[in-house]
Amino acid sequence: AQSVTQLGSHVSVSEGALVLLRCNYSSSVPPYLFWYVQYPNQGLQLLLKYTSAATLVKGINGFEAEFKKSETSFHLTKPSAHMSDAAEYFCAVNVAAGNMLTFGGGTRLMVKP
Amino acid sequence: DTEVTQTPKHLVMGMTNKKSLKCEQHMGHRAMYWYKQKAKKPPELMFVYSYEKLSINESVPSRFSPECPNSSLLNLHLHALQPEDSALYLCASSPHRELSAEQFFGPGTRLTVL
Repeated sequence: AQSVTQLGSHVSVSEGALVLLRCNYSSSVPPYLFWYVQYPNQGLQLLLKYTSAATLVKGINGFEAEFKKSETSFHLTKPSAHMSDAAEYFCAVNVAAGNMLTFGGGTRLMVKP
Repeated sequence: DTEVTQTPKHLVMGMTNKKSLKCEQHMGHRAMYWYKQKAKKPPELMFVYSYEKLSINESVPSRFSPECPNSSLLNLHLHALQPEDSALYLCASSPHRELSAEQFFGPGTRLTVL
């Protein structure tokens, strides 16, 4: 069965610092992986997705993620954090049964001025 | 129009009430989803509709009753809910049910059951 694990339920960075949010997946077949962001009292917005076309995926708002099969990882990065990046981030994998997302536990990103 | 809308934004109901949540999209998507999200937790899938037919029910109690009147509209009928059903209810849609298809989420309905 497919699953994702997000390491670190809370991550705090200073404004301008590198953002690194970790996601490891477990899948018996090549996975489809997604990163979503959720701002307070809002729905989820797709940041980026991996669909096997390229291992380095660029998303919106300056975020990118690299798919590493050898490490079963899909970590999310941003070179320079902005205050507006403070939100909850979810990594998700698509289950083989047909576009049924399985989410990781989420990581709350806090950005300090 | 590239958004999913949900109404109402907030809903407070008693355990004996009947209410409905509404979700609408005009992107021509053929798959629609209901998720439940408790505070500080990831969304949990409740129902999946594909081409207006219910295809997945994740063992959701019968006090939640979904309905898909047409390809743009998804309802969730609520009856005799419990306080533990209080949560953010999210609707999503996707063009189809291929594994690579992105799901577009609405802003959610914040439900409080008294």
